[in-house]
Amino acid sequence: SAVISQKPSRDICQRGTSLTIQCQVDSQVTMMFWYRQQPGQSLTLIATANQGSEATYESGFVIDKFPISRPNLTFSTLTVSNMSPEDSSIYLCSVLFRANTEAFFGQGTRLTVV
Amino acid sequence: AQSVTQLDSQVPVFEEAPVELRCNYSSSVSVYLFWYVQYPNQGLQLLLKYLSGSTLVKGINGFEAEFNKSQTSFHLRKPSVHISDTAEYFCAVGGTYKYIFGTGTRLKVLA
Repeated sequence: SAVISQKPSRDICQRGTSLTIQCQVDSQVTMMFWYRQQPGQSLTLIATANQGSEATYESGFVIDKFPISRPNLTFSTLTVSNMSPEDSSIYLCSVLFRANTEAFFGQGTRLTVV
Repeated sequence: AQSVTQLDSQVPVFEEAPVELRCNYSSSVSVYLFWYVQYPNQGLQLLLKYLSGSTLVKGINGFEAEFNKSQTSFHLRKPSVHISDTAEYFCAVGGTYKYIFGTGTRLKVLA
């Protein structure tokens, strides 16, 4: 298993501003992912964070809005840029140690945009 | 392509009663199936997983699930629920690296 620390755990932000969320894992992992969970809904994959290269984004998500970094095998950041109330969600970091196994999740960041 | 359908958005059940949360999937590749639980204001915690082998999978907190390939189902069961089982439950299908989650079932255990 893995201990995944996400910061901040929650935040209230003004529209038009940006927030960077950090994800720190206590051991090296193969894959890191970022998900969004809108109120009362399931998880939607935003992107796969690739170490040392640009993230791979899912349909409907773009780098300008959700820039992602992954400088090493244990750390990643997700920035939510130029926020609007529609960005109010829980953002979750997830990791895989290897393919075809279970994913582990951080506690999530609850973002409210006002 | 893969997809997951959780047929019940909410399931109320009395304490100590049995419960079944339904999950159906579709996948054109090898199937890896998971159930996660999310307690209020927390991340997702793995309940159990099916990767291969026995089709009856036992997980934490007394939950179990049965992989049924012919019916493409992976229903979650518990013979006797507790108040503390009140949470959101997500079924997920994985293939290699990507995971697709169902829309979730809110289990509410009543006293």
